[in-house]
Amino acid sequence: DAKTTQPTSMDCAEGRAANLPCNHSTISGNEYVYWYRQIHSQGPQYIIHGLKNNETNEMASLIITEDRKSSTLILPHATLRDTAVYYCIVRVDAGGTSYGKLTFGQGTILTVHP
Amino acid sequence: NAGVTQTPKFRVLKTGQSMTLLCAQDMNHEYMYWYRQDPGMGLRLIHYSVGEGTTAKGEVPDGYNVSRLKKQNFLLGLESAAPSQTSVYFCASSRRTNNEQFFGPGTRLTVL
Repeated sequence: DAKTTQPTSMDCAEGRAANLPCNHSTISGNEYVYWYRQIHSQGPQYIIHGLKNNETNEMASLIITEDRKSSTLILPHATLRDTAVYYCIVRVDAGGTSYGKLTFGQGTILTVHP
Repeated sequence: NAGVTQTPKFRVLKTGQSMTLLCAQDMNHEYMYWYRQDPGMGLRLIHYSVGEGTTAKGEVPDGYNVSRLKKQNFLLGLESAAPSQTSVYFCASSRRTNNEQFFGPGTRLTVL
């Protein structure tokens, strides 16, 4: 699996957009970019994933560069409840001989302040 | 739907004692996983299962055993607990075809 690099921590003002970067320069053509977050003392929560096109859902948007070597998770209007550790994970999709193991690194601690 | 549930939420063991952690999911997912998380670290995969009756080792399997006799349940056993197994344990499940894993609330285990 490709390795990812994320900033250790970031701050964001409530109501503003939070842009969390992730570098994955060794990503392979069949690897997806997944984002999860973990709010304190809770289990991780799936946010979004994509292969090469930008993706949007009710929680966030995922922007993947054309060369796929980096991506940005965007929380459009951050709230205090978005304070969490955000994990960027690169992985082939599950199925066939791949069991979908996710490798969680250190992630980015996002702090949303009033 | 309850999603993924874990039993118990908290447990304190003495060194050498045994226990079983139970994970249950009601989403009819094929894949199930057990992770552990230590302070300041990301999650590490202990064991996983790709279907009823099958299990396999993850990154840190030593000291743990698992069983998946029913599709909806995945059990994690500690035969002889050690202080190094003090951790928060998370169970997760997913469909066969993607990596959207649904996690349980965790079990906080302390081994004295």
